[in-house]
Amino acid sequence: AQSVTQLDSQVPVFEEAPVELRCNYSSSVSVYLFWYVQYPNQGLQLLLKYLSGSTLVKGINGFEAEFNKSQTSFHLRKPSVHISDTAEYFCAVDDYKLSFGAGTTVTVRA
Amino acid sequence: DAGITQSPRHKVTETGTPVTLRCHQTENHRYMYWYRQDPGHGLRLIHYSYGVKDTDKGEVSDGYSVSRSKTEDFLLTLESATSSQTSVYFCAISTDRTGGFINEQFFGPGTRLTVL
Repeated sequence: AQSVTQLDSQVPVFEEAPVELRCNYSSSVSVYLFWYVQYPNQGLQLLLKYLSGSTLVKGINGFEAEFNKSQTSFHLRKPSVHISDTAEYFCAVDDYKLSFGAGTTVTVRA
Repeated sequence: DAGITQSPRHKVTETGTPVTLRCHQTENHRYMYWYRQDPGHGLRLIHYSYGVKDTDKGEVSDGYSVSRSKTEDFLLTLESATSSQTSVYFCAISTDRTGGFINEQFFGPGTRLTVL
């Protein structure tokens, strides 16, 4: 079975500052990884996904993530955040069914 | 946006009563899923369906049952609701698993269930 650990439950950040959300997974087989975002009172929507190929994956809204097989990590980054990026972010790994991390709440302040 | 609706969007019920949540899609996707979301746990899979009348259990299936009699509808039933089932429930859909791996899942808006 696979599992996902999001290392930070809360990340406060100032507007226009960079942000990194950390995600580690456990696996002994090939993995497919995802980051989802949940805005307040909404469902989840896909930010980006890693299936194969380049380890640097670009997603929507200026987010990107880097797959690191040796460190079993898939950290999410954005160089400059906006107030509208305030949301909860979930890392997920495909083990035929998606397994989600516990989530990281990002609060962007002016 | 993917055409996924959930009903009801909010429900308050009492312990011991049966509850049915409905997920309806207009995308004709093969796979449908029910998750629950609780603080500190992320989303946990309850049940999923890979076709009409084809369902399987997820990691937290105890106390829940599902049915899928049409491609577009996936019902989640709490046979006898308990306070531990107070949660936000999300439905999701996805297409066939091309290439052997999962495709993107599209999520509904959620149903907030409170069991008193």
